[in-house]
Amino acid sequence: AQKVTQAQTEISVVEKEDVTLDCVYETRDTTYYLFWYKQPPSGELVFLIRRNSFDEQNEISGRYSWNFQKSTSSFNFTITASQVVDSAVYFCALSRYNFNKFYFGSGTKLNVKP
Amino acid sequence: DTGVSQNPRHKITKRGQNVTFRCDPISEHNRLYWYRQTLGQGPEFLTYFQNEAQLEKSRLLSDRFSAERPKGSFSTLEIQRTEQGDSAMYLCASSLDTDREVYGYTFGSGTRLTVV
Repeated sequence: AQKVTQAQTEISVVEKEDVTLDCVYETRDTTYYLFWYKQPPSGELVFLIRRNSFDEQNEISGRYSWNFQKSTSSFNFTITASQVVDSAVYFCALSRYNFNKFYFGSGTKLNVKP
Repeated sequence: DTGVSQNPRHKITKRGQNVTFRCDPISEHNRLYWYRQTLGQGPEFLTYFQNEAQLEKSRLLSDRFSAERPKGSFSTLEIQRTEQGDSAMYLCASSLDTDREVYGYTFGSGTRLTVV
C-alpha cells in the first residue's frame, strides 16, 4: 500500500525565517515518484518538484531545496528566507511508476507573517 | 491553451439534485484524472482516463458518480442525487503519456461543490 504522511498540520514563521516541511512516505515499490505541490488560497495545485526513486540527489531551486532520503523514506522541503507569498498549503505526493494516481499527504499549512 | 480548465468554479446545489462538472485538459495531454479534496485533507483519487478509455476507478466513486471522456478531449463528472457528504473541491488533472514517460501532470483550479 502507498501512504504519505505530513505530520505538521500548520506552521507559522516570521518572514525571512527558514522553514522545513516534513514528508514521510510508505511504498513497497522500487520505482516510484515523489512530488511537492503548493496550494494557494485560490485552490489550484502548483507543481514544485518531481523526484524519482533512483535519484537521491538533493535539489535546490532558488529559495527552495529538497532533501530525499530513501533510508528514512523522507522527502523534506525547505524554504530559505521565507516570504509572505510563500503562505499556502503544501502537499507531498507519491506516485507509482505508471502515474495512474497520486497519493497525497494531508498537507501542511504554512503561515508566513510579515 | 495554457492550463487545465474547470467549470464551474463554484456550484451550490440542494440535496438530491444532480450536478455535472466539466474539465478541459491541456490539449495535447492524453491522460485525464479526477480527484476530490475535502476541507483540511489532501486530494483523493477518483478516476482516470487514457484517451477516451476509463482505466481505473476508486472505491470512492459510488454508483451515484459517473465520469465520461467521450472523444478523448474534455471530461465530465456527474453526481446524481447529491448528498451533503459530496461537498468538496473536485479537481481535474491531465498529463501526457508517451509510453516512455509521463509528463506535465497539471491540475486545474477545481470546482467547489456545496450541497445544502
